[in-house]
Amino acid sequence: DTEVTQTPKHLVMGMTNKKSLKCEQHMGHRAMYWYKQKAKKPPELMFVYSYEKLSINESVPSRFSPECPNSSLLNLHLHALQPEDSALYLCASSPGRVREKLFFGSGTQLSVL
Amino acid sequence: DAKTTQPNSMESNEEEPVHLPCNHSTISGTDYIHWYRQLPSQGPEYVIHGLTSNVNNRMASLAIAEDRKSSTLILHRATLRDAAVYYCILLQGAQKLVFGQGTRLTINP
Repeated sequence: DTEVTQTPKHLVMGMTNKKSLKCEQHMGHRAMYWYKQKAKKPPELMFVYSYEKLSINESVPSRFSPECPNSSLLNLHLHALQPEDSALYLCASSPGRVREKLFFGSGTQLSVL
Repeated sequence: DAKTTQPNSMESNEEEPVHLPCNHSTISGTDYIHWYRQLPSQGPEYVIHGLTSNVNNRMASLAIAEDRKSSTLILHRATLRDAAVYYCILLQGAQKLVFGQGTRLTINP
């Protein structure tokens, strides 16, 4: 199994809603990532978890809250988002060793109304 | 973060080789050069990476200049399925993969 699975594929939410994005991998990888991608732009790194601990936070607003309950699962909790947060949210994983390649999911397309 | 510079777009014909250039003049000795591509409506996909020597795999070849200030991704025989945005990235440290603007490759039938 070499897949990173993201659910849901599409999500529409209001600015007062609370929702969560989910990411799962069963490759035994120990590093997991969240990226945000606006239309026609490159992916931007948000968070990195290494061995279930948050190792990189790229100054992301607190309305985005990551969680890594175990080595296979990564969540992104969303609360009080703004319309400009509408984007494709990509999850990735890697073995966790130095400079290994990343495996990406297909993303969750989020629309904030 | 170390920067890479790529052409915004390139065009090639099906079944011909494609050479995608990347400049990275501020590369440090321990930075690996990674290439990813992103097909429409998909997440990025790893293509190849290298440090100093040229590298080959089933998808592509990576040619790295002797001074490491530039590199070229070579698709030996392009197909329509190779149409994508190609990203050249310097991987600094263990986990910080930072994407640049990339090159949008169009393949003509």
